[in-house]
Amino acid sequence: SQKIEQNSEALNIQEGKTATLTCNYTNYSPAYLQWYRQDPGRGPVFLLLIRENEKEKRKERLKVTFDTTLKQSLFHITASQPADSATYLCALDGDSNYQLIWGAGTKLIIKP
Amino acid sequence: NAGVMQNPRHLVRRRGQEARLRCSPMKGHSHVYWYRQLPEEGLKFMVYLQKENIIDESGMPKERFSAEFPKEGPSILRIQQVVRGDSAAYFCASSPGLPDSGNTIYFGEGSWLTVV
Repeated sequence: SQKIEQNSEALNIQEGKTATLTCNYTNYSPAYLQWYRQDPGRGPVFLLLIRENEKEKRKERLKVTFDTTLKQSLFHITASQPADSATYLCALDGDSNYQLIWGAGTKLIIKP
Repeated sequence: NAGVMQNPRHLVRRRGQEARLRCSPMKGHSHVYWYRQLPEEGLKFMVYLQKENIIDESGMPKERFSAEFPKEGPSILRIQQVVRGDSAAYFCASSPGLPDSGNTIYFGEGSWLTVV
């Protein structure tokens, strides 16, 4: 079955630096991959979607890459701010065209 | 335009009671999904519904769990005879179309069920 792995350890980054989060997957070739942000006690909020034929996607300070050979997506936040502190989740399309398979998320802490 | 509305936000039930979780999708959205999240785990798909139809309930336990999305009113996730293992955050999401067509999925704030 499909498996998604995100670093379970919290990532501590100094304000202003670039934060890079990793999402690895196995046993699958997804058509697309998504990144979400989740704050404590809140629902996930969609950030970016990248398709299998796209290498890179940008949105303001966010950048996502998708390497289907390595089966990996990297999520970058440039010029990080304390307000970026949250848990970031990656999700890929499952066997169906409506079901998402989720990683457990990586907690990002931006220190002032 | 209100987002996906879930209620109650927090619910405490004793073992054996019933839990009813409600979800009103965003206006214009006909696709509703329910996911469950346990601490330190990823969200797990439970069920996908369109108006008056259950499209896929493969992620939902066969017993005690049921879901509906009536023609009028919110979607309901119902858990009968709750057990401690049902304690989790239950998220509802909606979209105007299927995700693979590039439609964004919007999540509600979740309903936190605690079984004591």
